[in-house]
Parts: sequence; C-alpha cells; structure tokens
Amino acid sequence: LAKTTQPISMDSYEGQEVNITCSHNNIATNDYITWYQQFPSQGPRFIIQGYKTKVTNEVASLFIPADRKSSTLSLPRVSLSDTAVYYCLVGDVDNFNKFYFGSGTKLNVKP
Amino acid sequence: NAGVTQTPKFRVLKTGQSMTLLCAQDMNHEYMYWYRQDPGMGLRLIHYSVGEGTTAKGEVPDGYNVSRLKKQNFLLGLESAAPSQTSVYFCASWLRALNSPLHFGNGTRLTVT
Repeated sequence: LAKTTQPISMDSYEGQEVNITCSHNNIATNDYITWYQQFPSQGPRFIIQGYKTKVTNEVASLFIPADRKSSTLSLPRVSLSDTAVYYCLVGDVDNFNKFYFGSGTKLNVKP
Repeated sequence: NAGVTQTPKFRVLKTGQSMTLLCAQDMNHEYMYWYRQDPGMGLRLIHYSVGEGTTAKGEVPDGYNVSRLKKQNFLLGLESAAPSQTSVYFCASWLRALNSPLHFGNGTRLTVT
C-alpha cells in the first residue's frame, strides 16, 4: 500500500477555504485516493474519492495533479463544525480491504 | 437501518480479565474491520474479515482474537486484557466497490486497570 504523509495539524478561520495536502509518492496505477473526516468520539466518515484531475461533491473538492504523487482536499468556507481530523487513504479496490489510516491532519477552525 | 452497532459502549476491565466486543451490521456487507484509536493518534487496523468464516490480521493483531461466524457479526476478543489495550475500539463494514464508504460504529471505550 502506498504510504501517505499529511501535516499533523492546520489552523484556519471561519469562512476561509482550507486546503489539506497529502503526499503519496509510491501511488500505484490502480490506486484511488480517498478522504475521511473524523469528529471527536465518532468513527470516521467518507468525504470524497478520486483518481485524477478534480472531483467535487456537496462538501469538498479533491485535486489530483497529473503525476498523482499528491492530492489536495479543499474545503470551501469552513465553519467551526469542520473542526475535525482528516485522513487520506490510497489504495485500489483489491487492497482497500485493509484500509490503513495514517495519523491524519487535525484541522482547527477558529471564530 | 441501524447501520453498524457496537456493544458495549464503555467497559472497565482489570488486568488479566477477558471480554468480547460485538459488532453488528445490517447492510449485508461482506467486509468488516476492527480498529483501535489511542489518544491523539489515527486508527490502527487490528483484524479484518472479507466474508463469513474468514478473518485476517491487520497492523496490530497481538493480544486480540476475532470471529466471523455470521455475516452480520464480527466479534473482537481480549483473552487477557493488559493496560496497553486501553483504547477506543471502532468497528466498520464495507461494500466492496469504488466510492463505497466505510461505515463505522460509534466506538467502544475500554479501560484496563
């Protein structure tokens, strides 16, 4: 499985756009990139998944450059309720069955 | 649908005691997982199962055993609890498909004294 590297923590203010980058230099051809969000005392929940270029849904966008060695989760206009830990996972359907989470990025949104 | 249900929610054990954590899912998912999460850390995979009657080791399997006798249930056992096993335990299930999310339970907080 491709190893991922994320910043340990980030600070932001309400209303700002937040970009969290994940490095995955050893990503394989069949690997997808998936992001999860975890609030305190809860299990993680799925945010978004992508393979290349850009993916957007109702809560976030995922930007993946052509070499796919990194990805950026973009959260538009964050609020206090977006304070959470964000995890980046890399794998394909055949090895997603192991779902290894790293330490994630703790996002602190300030008023 | 209840989704993924974990029991119990809290438990305190003494060193050497045993217990079983139950995870139940009603989504007919083939894949199920047990994770532990320690303060300030990410989730670490203990064991997982790709179907009824099958189990496999994850990152940190030592000190734990699991069973998947029924598709909807995944049990995590601690035969002789140690203080190092104090943690929050999460169970999850997965429908094997792209863009298919992991579904997590609400966790079990275990303290071993």
